[in-house]
Amino acid sequence: KNEVEQSPQNLTAQEGEFITINCSYSVGISALHWLQQHPGGGIVSLFMLSSGKKKHGRLIATINIQEKHSSLHITASHPRDSAVYICAALRPVGQFYFGTGTSLTVIP
Amino acid sequence: EAGVAQSPRYKIIEKRQSVAFWCNPISGHATLYWYQQILGQGPKLLIQFQNNGVVDDSQLPKDRFSAERLKGVDSTLKIQPAKLEDSAVYLCASSRGRTSGGSTDTQYFGPGTRLTVL
Repeated sequence: KNEVEQSPQNLTAQEGEFITINCSYSVGISALHWLQQHPGGGIVSLFMLSSGKKKHGRLIATINIQEKHSSLHITASHPRDSAVYICAALRPVGQFYFGTGTSLTVIP
Repeated sequence: EAGVAQSPRYKIIEKRQSVAFWCNPISGHATLYWYQQILGQGPKLLIQFQNNGVVDDSQLPKDRFSAERLKGVDSTLKIQPAKLEDSAVYLCASSRGRTSGGSTDTQYFGPGTRLTVL
């Protein structure tokens, strides 16, 4: 069993839909990252969370430390949001555990 | 299938010393990435290889960092000389390579090498 589990693995949405990607982890963490990977490109860090909620534009990330769960929400989705979204749990010793990613396709 | 292998897992050096990291990607993966992840920050892409050619090294500090993938398989990343601010986890990732139709190309990450520069 992976230390970090993401769901769904694949997601197709119509433009404008509200999207949620979930991440559950089983290890103690100091922070949790949400990463975005566009086709053929490197990875961009979207959020780093250790508690509560963060918002950047149409993206919202939340984390519940007690439940060891985080969600990434995209409001008013757009085709340019199509990418792989990766949840990464940062252990206190500095080691990352990565989820397998969620491949999102937003159809115009 | 075997995952991305990296070595060493940990390295401690003094500033001005040199260090090298090694990465062996998943068999058959054409694309290889090196990332630097400083504590508390997200990973930063240093260099991307497609087979043995460099696709993107725009964020590689070329005065001290170098990387090669001579045979298009495994890769080494070198820092010479190291500075205190180079302390970070160095992540290697690989992917199959560009896919047709614009679909995403998932990266698979190695366990990372944690570098401490004293």
